[in-house]
Amino acid sequence: DGGITQSPKYLFRKEGQNVTLSCEQNLNHDAMYWYRQDPGQGLRLIYYSQIVNDFQKGDIAEGYSVSREKKESFPLTVTSAQKNPTAFYLCASSIGSGHYGYTFGSGTRLTVV
Amino acid sequence: QQQVKQSPQSLIVQKGGISIINCAYENTAFDYFPWYQQFPGKGPALLIAIRPDVSEKKEGRFTISFNKSAKQFSLHIMDSQPGDSATYFCAAGGQTSGSRLTFGEGTQLTVNP
Repeated sequence: DGGITQSPKYLFRKEGQNVTLSCEQNLNHDAMYWYRQDPGQGLRLIYYSQIVNDFQKGDIAEGYSVSREKKESFPLTVTSAQKNPTAFYLCASSIGSGHYGYTFGSGTRLTVV
Repeated sequence: QQQVKQSPQSLIVQKGGISIINCAYENTAFDYFPWYQQFPGKGPALLIAIRPDVSEKKEGRFTISFNKSAKQFSLHIMDSQPGDSATYFCAAGGQTSGSRLTFGEGTQLTVNP
């Protein structure tokens, strides 16, 4: 079955550490996205990529980094520069420009301890 | 111009009642308006979507009403069921934003038995 796999489902990070969240899709989608979800604040775009080896900052990119070396993979690194990283992180993909239907992964809940 | 405003933030409906969630947008270049349903701990899933060439789209108990002149669209859930209890997000996308969607803040729907 095609879909998006996010791992791990739960992640705990000590303050000052970088952590990487995995996102893999087998839908052959060109575009991939990372969103952060906080209670009462909806979905906020962190980074997105419309093609391999290219990505753009979203609305809240500070303290995060991404790479897009393969079409199937779009990992997100939460760096120590992100002041309030505790949140639910969602990865999504879509066919690409002109096609807006997103498929979401099941999310990673990151907690700073 | 990229904002999508969603209301109400939370909604409580009795079983069998009608749930109505409203969204308003500013960017007249938007041409795709989806609704997503999210259950706790899961990623959002596409529920129903509409393009501005029609004023209404119905799929089962779910209907989108679209008012292009007012730049508003709404989700109606007929005969609401406890299983419909979830968070609902409206979104909007268009050619000027590539493949990006702009999401509303979300509505937490509770359907009481």
